[in-house]
Amino acid sequence: DGGITQSPKYLFRKEGQNVTLSCEQNLNHDAMYWYRQDPGQGLRLIYYSQIVNDFQKGDIAEGYSVSREKKESFPLTVTSAQKNPTAFYLCASIRGQGITGELFFGEGSRLTVL
Amino acid sequence: SQKIEQNSEALNIQEGKTATLTCNYTNYSPAYLQWYRQDPGRGPVFLLLIRENEKEKRKERLKVTFDTTLKQSLFHITASQPADSATYLCALDPSGGSYIPTFGRGTSLIVHP
Repeated sequence: DGGITQSPKYLFRKEGQNVTLSCEQNLNHDAMYWYRQDPGQGLRLIYYSQIVNDFQKGDIAEGYSVSREKKESFPLTVTSAQKNPTAFYLCASIRGQGITGELFFGEGSRLTVL
Repeated sequence: SQKIEQNSEALNIQEGKTATLTCNYTNYSPAYLQWYRQDPGRGPVFLLLIRENEKEKRKERLKVTFDTTLKQSLFHITASQPADSATYLCALDPSGGSYIPTFGRGTSLIVHP
C-alpha cells in the first residue's frame, strides 16, 4: 500500500542534541511538507519542497534544517538552535505542483526534549 | 494579518444530531478550502475540498459550504455518530497556486451516545 512513513514515532532528546526525523513516501508525489503541531494549536509549516534538490522555508524554519536528495525522502533535523522543540511533527506530501488535491499525512513523530 | 479562525471550544452534541463547524478567514482570497479530520496522536486525513465557485459540496453524511463574501466555510456532519468524534481542521492555500496549505487550529467534536 502506498503512503507516508514517519519514524521514529516517539523520540526523546537531551537539550543541546540534534535529532533527525525521517519521512519516506512511496506515492510518487512531487511536493513534501513538514508541519509542527503544539497542543491546541493548528499545524505550522516548517519547510516544504516541491521538487528534488530544492526546498523553501515555511513560517517557523528557525532551528530546523531539511534535505531533499531523493523524491521519496524528506528528512527534518531539529537542531540545538531550536528553542522549544518539544512538539508533534507531521510530514505530508501531494502530487504535482499547484494541484488542488489532498495532502497525505504520515502518522507523526512526537519529540520530547528532556 | 492573515488569519484562519475555528472555534477553539469543543462542540458537544448528541448522537443523531447534525454537527456544524465553522471556519472563518480574514485577509485571504483562497481559490479553494479543505477540511481534514484528525484523531488524537494521528496525522490529519483529508475529507473534502470546495472551490470558490462552488457553494456547496457533499460526500455521504458530510456537507461543506463556502461563502467567499462572508469569508466563511461551514462543515456539517448529519446523523452524527460517536465515531465522528475527532478534531476537524480547515485549510486553505494563500499562495495562489504554489500549494502551501495553511491550517486553522481545529475544532474538537464530541458526539455523545
